[in-house]
Amino acid sequence: DAGVIQSPRHEVTEMGQEVTLRCKPISGHNSLFWYRQTMMRGLELLIYFNNNVPIDDSGMPEDRFSAKMPNASFSTLKIQPSEPRDSAVYFCASSFRGHPSYEQYFGPGTRLTVT
Amino acid sequence: DQQVKQNSPSLSVQEGRISILNCDYTNSMFDYFLWYKKYPAEGPTFLISISSIKDKNEDGRFTVFLNKSAKHLSLHIVPSQPGDSAVYFCAASRGNQFYFGTGTSLTVIP
Repeated sequence: DAGVIQSPRHEVTEMGQEVTLRCKPISGHNSLFWYRQTMMRGLELLIYFNNNVPIDDSGMPEDRFSAKMPNASFSTLKIQPSEPRDSAVYFCASSFRGHPSYEQYFGPGTRLTVT
Repeated sequence: DQQVKQNSPSLSVQEGRISILNCDYTNSMFDYFLWYKKYPAEGPTFLISISSIKDKNEDGRFTVFLNKSAKHLSLHIVPSQPGDSAVYFCAASRGNQFYFGTGTSLTVIP
């Protein structure tokens, strides 16, 4: 199994630009999670989906952030417009258990730098 | 406000000795706790978990202890090996709430 795939691995963009991060979960997993990691706040759960349906998005910082899961094998996290404080590593994870209490499989992350 | 805290940013241990990583939480209603390990440039990988109805769970060299009265959990690694050098995150959940700590960087010295 290829594991969770994230693209791009690195993204550098200018303030005000739109950024789209992509994730392909492990085949057969029915839950997908988006996280943001910063030095100050550690790993924060932004949103998660069960069977392609958003279950909890209370961690999404503000309206500039949006996430979609159009099918079981693909999800996007979009930031529009981006700001320097959005600079962080963004992780996607998937699970076959449907709840963050159970083991999640993480992708390698996307390092986002907004200048 | 951090609901899950790892107050030691780093820890160094000699190979073969015990590593003890600590984690404190604020919400007494959390019902599951997990530990993840993370190597540089990789995503976290699951290590071990414990339900709030238990006070200990063991898996090979890894043991997690939960002290609900103190709102404290710890991960014991024994014996420690150089390959255990990584950042360790604790996490806690209840319902749709799920929180990670900020991590402790463990270095096992050969």
